[in-house]
Amino acid sequence: GENVEQHPSTLSVQEGDSAVIKCTYSDSASNYFPWYKQELGKGPQLIIDIRSNVGEKKDQRIAVTLNKTAKHFSLHITETQPEDSAVYFCAASRGRTGANNLFFGTGTRLTVIP
Amino acid sequence: GAVVSQHPSRVICKSGTSVKIECRSLDFQATTMFWYRQFPKQSLMLMATSNEGSKATYEQGVEKDKFLINHASLTLSTLTVTSAHPEDSSFYICSARRSSGGFYEQYFGPGTRLTVT
Repeated sequence: GENVEQHPSTLSVQEGDSAVIKCTYSDSASNYFPWYKQELGKGPQLIIDIRSNVGEKKDQRIAVTLNKTAKHFSLHITETQPEDSAVYFCAASRGRTGANNLFFGTGTRLTVIP
Repeated sequence: GAVVSQHPSRVICKSGTSVKIECRSLDFQATTMFWYRQFPKQSLMLMATSNEGSKATYEQGVEKDKFLINHASLTLSTLTVTSAHPEDSSFYICSARRSSGGFYEQYFGPGTRLTVT
């Protein structure tokens, strides 16, 4: 099955700086890579996703890059703000097929220091 | 769009009783929903896949007789924890799958904190 690894497990940045979280996956058939933000006591919220037919996607301060050859994808948050503090999970799945289980990384606890 | 609700958000029950958690997709139909369990400071652990009109598929190690899943309509799945024990205390989260552009997206509910005393 799929194995998703995520690094770092914790990340602290000063407000205004950038934050980068990296994930690798093992299943070359995976083609859908969402990122979720989970605040304390809440469910994960889908913040951005990328599909295997593109290499980069951006939405305001958030961007995700995908390298299919190397089987890794990254989340980039620019101009970080205190409200970006949360746990971020990457995930991978074979989005087009019926199985479509999301395989999650272990999470990154991001702390933005004001 | 793509809102998923869960009810209740918190529940405390006594050991030996049963608890039902509801998961609803509010603005889309979901033939497939998922139930996860999350321990403190850990990732999400998939418990089962709930399919509308058919039996749920449970992950290895998850007791189907203890965690009863019913997906009675395209917008509602329920998880019943039967004969709950303190070790069942956890954060339970559902997600609903939505088809988008040939891919499936998953949207999560806000979670239910279960405490068994």
